[in-house]
Amino acid sequence: EAGVAQSPRYKIIEKRQSVAFWCNPISGHATLYWYQQILGQGPKLLIQFQNNGVVDDSQLPKDRFSAERLKGVDSTLKIQPAKLEDSAVYLCASSKGVRATNEKLFFGSGTQLSVL
Amino acid sequence: SQQGEEDPQALSIQEGENATMNCSYKTSINNLQWYRQNSGRGLVHLILIRSNEREKHSGRLRVTLDTSKKSSSLLITASRAADTASYFCATDRDDYKLSFGAGTTVTVRA
Repeated sequence: EAGVAQSPRYKIIEKRQSVAFWCNPISGHATLYWYQQILGQGPKLLIQFQNNGVVDDSQLPKDRFSAERLKGVDSTLKIQPAKLEDSAVYLCASSKGVRATNEKLFFGSGTQLSVL
Repeated sequence: SQQGEEDPQALSIQEGENATMNCSYKTSINNLQWYRQNSGRGLVHLILIRSNEREKHSGRLRVTLDTSKKSSSLLITASRAADTASYFCATDRDDYKLSFGAGTTVTVRA
């Protein structure tokens, strides 16, 4: 089966600019996750969708980050305006069921963002 | 906030040796998962172990879980260069949310 697709692979922007990332999960997967991974750290959950509803966005900096999942399939994550501390890899993952703790998560290769 | 913490932070071994890393967590869990991340790639699921299981195997991987000590270990036997990666444990904050540790970076020397 096709994996989780993410684009772009790399993005370099200046602070205060905006940026958007796109994710296409595995077909039929109900749950979609966006994680932020800062160099040397583990992934931190930003937002979790179940179909097109939000399960958890408690760690999403809502003053600058937004995300949507269109028709319960593709998703976009936007940062506006970007700060230096947003430099990280943004990972998208999906799982078949809705209970992440019982599920195998499938990850995309990520988008590496550098904010200058 | 992080639930699981891996130890050691980094590990360097010779090809053919075994590698062991540990994960400790703070609050009780339902399941614990281990993932691998090769440099510049996404995470790949390795094993899920449930709270009522003590040990699980998958190929050269062996995972143990000790709920009384709130800890898990991942053993890679007969390591290969391809095992060079970061390894993360993931624990549940509740039924729906996974929390990842900071990971153990394993380097396998030829």
